[in-house]
Amino acid sequence: GDSVTQMEGPVTLSEEAFLTINCTYTATGYPSLFWYVQYPGEGLQLLLKATKADDKGSNKGFEATYRKETTSFHLEKGSVQVSDSAVYFCALTEKGGSEKLVFGKGTKLTVNP
Amino acid sequence: DAGVIQSPRHEVTEMGQEVTLRCKPISGHNSLFWYRQTMMRGLELLIYFNNNVPIDDSGMPEDRFSAKMPNASFSTLKIQPSEPRDSAVYFCASSNRGTRTYEQYFGPGTRLTVT
Repeated sequence: GDSVTQMEGPVTLSEEAFLTINCTYTATGYPSLFWYVQYPGEGLQLLLKATKADDKGSNKGFEATYRKETTSFHLEKGSVQVSDSAVYFCALTEKGGSEKLVFGKGTKLTVNP
Repeated sequence: DAGVIQSPRHEVTEMGQEVTLRCKPISGHNSLFWYRQTMMRGLELLIYFNNNVPIDDSGMPEDRFSAKMPNASFSTLKIQPSEPRDSAVYFCASSNRGTRTYEQYFGPGTRLTVT
């Protein structure tokens, strides 16, 4: 079945460092891809999305590009802030136009001042 | 918009008791999802509804769990009887299937502790 694999965490960075969180997927067809973020004590929030190959999603300084050839959707940010500390989830739409999202296990990011 | 509303935010109960979690989706959304999150198993989809009809309940762990959506603005997830292994954070999410963007909007969650 469809699946998402994220890099193992936790990830600890200093403020202003460059961030990459790897995400690869296995899917039939052409799923939509998402990054969600979960701040402590809160529900998940959509961070960005891409719906077709070569699309770049971006929001709040974060970017991710839908790479069909490498089945990847890596999350990047050029300069992280303490407020970016959270858990990040990569997700895709299940095949067949289902509304179900398949989530990765999440990557915890801690940014130190 | 108020976003997805869940109640209670925290629930502590004893093993064997009935637990009812409540969710109010975003107005105008026609799909609703119940998830469970634990450290061991991560985020799991339990069940989802479209237009108040259950579409996929394959994630419901066992008969002790049941979910209803009597109308477009309210859903419940019930656990009867509860067990310690049910301790988790339960999230409700909603989306508008008509947009075909598949974006889901999550509530703040209910943290359930079964002792």
